[in-house]
Amino acid sequence: DAKTTQPPSMDCAEGRAANLPCNHSTISGNEYVYWYRQIHSQGPQYIIHGLKNNETNEMASLIITEDRKSSTLILPHATLRDTAVYYCIVRVAGGGNKLTFGTGTQLKVEL
Amino acid sequence: DGGITQSPKYLFRKEGQNVTLSCEQNLNHDAMYWYRQDPGQGLRLIYYSQIVNDFQKGDIAEGYSVSREKKESFPLTVTSAQKNPTAFYLCASSLRGRSSGNTIYFGEGSWLTVV
Repeated sequence: DAKTTQPPSMDCAEGRAANLPCNHSTISGNEYVYWYRQIHSQGPQYIIHGLKNNETNEMASLIITEDRKSSTLILPHATLRDTAVYYCIVRVAGGGNKLTFGTGTQLKVEL
Repeated sequence: DGGITQSPKYLFRKEGQNVTLSCEQNLNHDAMYWYRQDPGQGLRLIYYSQIVNDFQKGDIAEGYSVSREKKESFPLTVTSAQKNPTAFYLCASSLRGRSSGNTIYFGEGSWLTVV
């Protein structure tokens, strides 16, 4: 699985959009980009995933660049409850379905 | 409700003792996984299983053992051979195969402390 690079921490004001970047310059054509988040002492929560096209669901939007070497997770209106560690992971569908976690981005949402 | 149930949430173990962490899922998922997380670190894969009666070692399998006798259950035993077992343990599951994504879902975790 390709490695990803994320900033260790970010701050965001409540009500504003949080844009979390991820670099995955060695991603292969059959690897998906996944985003999870983990609130302290809880299991990681799935947010969204995509292959090539931008994706949106009730939680977030995922923007993947045309060359697929980077992506951005967007939380459109961040709340205090969005404070968590956000993990960007690239993974081949099938093939053991393993997820390889890095250290993620600690997002702190403040008043 | 469908989901992944891990038990116990908190467990204390004396050095030299084996301990088994339970993981049950009612999502009808084929694949199940065990991860370990140390404070301030990401998750590391211990073992995974794609079907009943089959499992593979992950990146840090030494000192751990698993079984997969039923589709819905994937217990993890932390043996006395595991030198540094104090950690947060996470169980996960997913469908198998190559269809779009096959998202992995996680349980709420079990804290193991060796005293």
